[in-house]
Amino acid sequence: AQSVTQPDIHITVSEGASLELRCNYSYGATPYLFWYVQSPGQGLQLLLKYFSGDTLVQGIKGFEAEFKRSQSSFNLRKPSVHWSDAAEYFCAVGRDNYGQNFVFGPGTRLSVLP
Amino acid sequence: EAGVTQFPSHSVIEKGQTVTLRCDPISGHDNLYWYRRVMGKEIKFLLHFVKESKQDESGMPNNRFLAERTGGTYSTLKVQPAELEDSGVYFCASSQQGRTNEKLFFGSGTQLSVL
Repeated sequence: AQSVTQPDIHITVSEGASLELRCNYSYGATPYLFWYVQSPGQGLQLLLKYFSGDTLVQGIKGFEAEFKRSQSSFNLRKPSVHWSDAAEYFCAVGRDNYGQNFVFGPGTRLSVLP
Repeated sequence: EAGVTQFPSHSVIEKGQTVTLRCDPISGHDNLYWYRRVMGKEIKFLLHFVKESKQDESGMPNNRFLAERTGGTYSTLKVQPAELEDSGVYFCASSQQGRTNEKLFFGSGTQLSVL
């Protein structure tokens, strides 16, 4: 069965600092991988996704993620965090691009200090 | 273009009462999904509509939950009677039919509190 872990429940960084959010998955084949963000009062927004090809994926808002098959990881990174990045981040895995097959991680809440 | 909208944004009810959540997908989106996040845990799939038909309802927790999608437009999710463990955030998402580059658009969710 598919599963996703996000080891960090809550992370606090200073504005301008770099960020890495961890995501590990368990899946028997090549997965479809996603990062979503939920800002306060907003819906889940897709940051980026990986299906195949280049393992370093660029997303919106300056985020990127790297797929490492050997480590079953898909960590999200940003070189310089902005105060508006404070939100909750969800990693998800699926066997395809269909929403009924998505498995989400528990989420990581990001706080940004001025 | 309007996004996925959900009503209400918050609902507080007592155990045993009935609550109906509504989701209006993006116009033209045939796929509609319901998800739930309970007690800060992971977001879990509940069910999937294609137009007015239930394509997959394997995630529905029990028969106290009833989802409908009248005419393939908006959808409702009714909980009757509500229990304490039903508290959480209920998300709706929609997407266009087709496999290539299908993208899910999520609503902001309904926060349900059962007291």
